[in-house]
Amino acid sequence: GDSVTQMEGPVTLSEEAFLTINCTYTATGYPSLFWYVQYPGEGLQLLLKATKADDKGSNKGFEATYRKETTSFHLEKGSVQVSDSAVYFCALSGGNQGGKLIFGQGTELSVKP
Amino acid sequence: ETGVTQSPTHLIKTRGQQVTLRCSSQSGHNTVSWYQQALGQGPQFIFQYYREEENGRGNFPPRFSGLQFPNYSSELNVNALELDDSALYLCASSAPGQQSLYEQYFGPGTRLTVT
Repeated sequence: GDSVTQMEGPVTLSEEAFLTINCTYTATGYPSLFWYVQYPGEGLQLLLKATKADDKGSNKGFEATYRKETTSFHLEKGSVQVSDSAVYFCALSGGNQGGKLIFGQGTELSVKP
Repeated sequence: ETGVTQSPTHLIKTRGQQVTLRCSSQSGHNTVSWYQQALGQGPQFIFQYYREEENGRGNFPPRFSGLQFPNYSSELNVNALELDDSALYLCASSAPGQQSLYEQYFGPGTRLTVT
């Protein structure tokens, strides 16, 4: 079945470092891809999305490009801040999954001053 | 614009009991989905409601049931609670329209502990 795989965490970076969190997916059909962020003790917030191949989603300095040829949707940010410390989830929806979201296991990011 | 709200925030129940969790969808959203997030894991899809009808279900037993009301708010009911039901339960709503359906907005969740 459809699935999402993320790089394992935790990822620890110094402030202003470059961030990459890898995400690959397996899907039948043409899903939409998402990154969600979860701050401690909170629910999930939609960070960015891409609905078709080669689309680039971006928000708050974060970017991810929908790569159909490599079935990937890696999250990047050029300069992380302490306030970016959170758990990041890659997810897919649509295609053969209809309206349900399938999530990866999450990657915890810790940014040190 | 009011976001997705959930109640209660925290809940402690005993094994074998029943629980009802509540969710109010974001203004203008007519579809509600429920997810279970175990500690350290990604959320798992329980089911989705659209126009008061179940519109898809994940791999959860029948003791997990739900309702959606005419104002699009929703309830998740779990009967015969088990220890493994301890988790964060997340409600998400989405707007009308095929593409909008795939973009879901989450509430803060209800933390359920079963002892």
